[in-house]
Amino acid sequence: DAGVIQSPRHEVTEMGQEVTLRCKPISGHDYLFWYRQTMMRGLELLIYFNNNVPIDDSGMPEDRFSAKMPNASFSTLKIQPSEPRDSAVYFCASSFGAGTGQETQYFGPGTRLLVL
Amino acid sequence: AQTVTQSQPEMSVQEAETVTLSCTYDTSESDYYLFWYKQPPSRQMILVIRQEAYKQQNATENRFSVNFQKAAKSFSLKISDSQLGDAAMYFCAYRSALGDYKLSFGAGTTVTVRA
Repeated sequence: DAGVIQSPRHEVTEMGQEVTLRCKPISGHDYLFWYRQTMMRGLELLIYFNNNVPIDDSGMPEDRFSAKMPNASFSTLKIQPSEPRDSAVYFCASSFGAGTGQETQYFGPGTRLLVL
Repeated sequence: AQTVTQSQPEMSVQEAETVTLSCTYDTSESDYYLFWYKQPPSRQMILVIRQEAYKQQNATENRFSVNFQKAAKSFSLKISDSQLGDAAMYFCAYRSALGDYKLSFGAGTTVTVRA
């Protein structure tokens, strides 16, 4: 398996622009997670999906952030409009559900976002 | 939300020696999972080892082993025969086995390996 795939790997944009981050989970995984990593706040969960349905979006910082999962093999995280404080590394991770013995979350390589 | 604490911001170890990273967590649950992830300079999050709380036996993966003390809510990672490639930031993480499947991470410990 190719693992979790994220694109782009790096994104540099100007304040006010729309940013879309993409993720393809590992085939067969029914949970998908979006995390953000910053120096100040460490690793924090933004949102996660189960069977394409958002389960917990309490970590989404504000209305400028939105996430979708239109099918089992694709998810997007969108920031509109972007601000300099959104600069971070954004990770996507996927896993099987509970009770399977395979609950480990596997992470993608991350997208490094810089908002100028 | 569960709190995961890594009290050592940085650790240094001589190549071929052993280093132990500490992790404590706070939870009222009895069933959960614990993980150690490694993050090298490439930023990729790599699973090192996992432990199911219902298993008393400590997990081992080659040179990596854990000391899981459930009553003390402690989950330390031991790296034996340290190699230069072990240099990275290491994160301890907690995940509930019941309902809430997100990972709660500690702040991380940076491991430096001296040649």
